[in-house]
Amino acid sequence: KAGVTQTPRYLIKTRGQQVTLSCSPISGHRSVSWYQQTPGQGLQFLFEYFSETQRNKGNFPGRFSGRQFSNSRSEMNVSTLELGDSALYLCASSLEGPEQYFGPGTRLTVT
Amino acid sequence: QKEVEQDPGPLSVPEGAIVSLNCTYSNSAFQYFMWYRQYSRKGPELLMYTYSSGNKEDGRFTAQVDKSSKYISLFIRDSQPSDSATYLCAMSETSYDKVIFGPGTSLSVIP
Repeated sequence: KAGVTQTPRYLIKTRGQQVTLSCSPISGHRSVSWYQQTPGQGLQFLFEYFSETQRNKGNFPGRFSGRQFSNSRSEMNVSTLELGDSALYLCASSLEGPEQYFGPGTRLTVT
Repeated sequence: QKEVEQDPGPLSVPEGAIVSLNCTYSNSAFQYFMWYRQYSRKGPELLMYTYSSGNKEDGRFTAQVDKSSKYISLFIRDSQPSDSATYLCAMSETSYDKVIFGPGTSLSVIP
């Protein structure tokens, strides 16, 4: 069974731009969660989608948004990028229960 | 005080040693506990998953949960250089709640 895939793997953007990241979960998994990982803050929860509905939300500003499609694929959007948004963005899927399976991440650099 | 705490290390041990990794937490409502391993530039990989208190063993890995002390541990027996990675504990209140991660402990197993 294929794992979680994320695209693109690497991205360089300029301050003020917006970016969209994509995640395809493991087949059959209906929950997709997004995390931001930085050396200083560790793994921070952004939000979780389940059956196209946002089920949980972390403490990030409204510039961070997401959605989930009927095939469980998910996208995350960050508008008006700031230097501090440079991070590894990880997507994780789960079938049921809290055990999650992570993708390889998208490394975003904001200049 | 952070919700989940881990000693960041780095922890350096000789090959073959028994490694003990620990997390403490403040939220007594946590019931689901996970351990993840993350290699450099990769997404976290689920190692162990336990519910409530008790022990769980899987090969060289043993997870322990002591809810009365709000303390969880991961033991690695006969450690190998390939175990060198960052180990993250994670926990949640319910099977559908957001998952909170510890900051991670960096482990280096020296041949």
